[in-house]
Amino acid sequence: ETGVTQTPRHLVMGMTNKKSLKCEQHLGHNAMYWYKQSAKKPLELMFVYSLEERVENNSVPSRFSPECPNSSHLFLHLHTLQPEDSALYLCASSQDWPGRGALFSTDTQYFGPGTRLTVL
Amino acid sequence: GENVEQHPSTLSVQEGDSAVIKCTYSDSASNYFPWYKQELGKRPQLIIDIRSNVGEKKDQRIAVTLNKTAKHFSLHITETQPEDSAVYFCAARGGKLIFGQGTELSVKP
Repeated sequence: ETGVTQTPRHLVMGMTNKKSLKCEQHLGHNAMYWYKQSAKKPLELMFVYSLEERVENNSVPSRFSPECPNSSHLFLHLHTLQPEDSALYLCASSQDWPGRGALFSTDTQYFGPGTRLTVL
Repeated sequence: GENVEQHPSTLSVQEGDSAVIKCTYSDSASNYFPWYKQELGKRPQLIIDIRSNVGEKKDQRIAVTLNKTAKHFSLHITETQPEDSAVYFCAARGGKLIFGQGTELSVKP
């Protein structure tokens, strides 16, 4: 249960605040992910980093800004959020980022416990 | 765009019965299909996965089947127990991992 950690676990912020979510993985993985999980909706992939390079950015508003300083750490910087951004934000990691068509890649994703974000 | 449809959204079974959750995917290039279990207030955890070079995989009470022609795959849980109660997510990966909407499974003692 300590492979992927996230802090804080809960965060309440106003629309004008700036805050950051932190994710750390202790698995020696090369790829890290941010997901948004809202009630009654599928997990939404936000960003993917592979070897500290962003490889996926799924039309996420600019008020969410990711940062990956090294392969073990991933941040999500938040500013001027909206109430509809309230959700559970999950970080995940995998051994590699397989890219399209890789059949036997080691891309099983391991999730952190999430940060429950409430925007007032 | 690519999507994964998952059914049913809720499923209630009696302890000891079997439960089946089905998913269909749109990206024919998908080659990896994991299933995750998320208990209330906890993180999603991988319970089983299958790759496109096999049609079925089993791990104790859990099995997954894959039909690439029809582009659908299913999770089968036999002899269900109350601790199986959770939300289950399927996913399919072609270029990126796309998740289904989730199935809330309730196992009544």
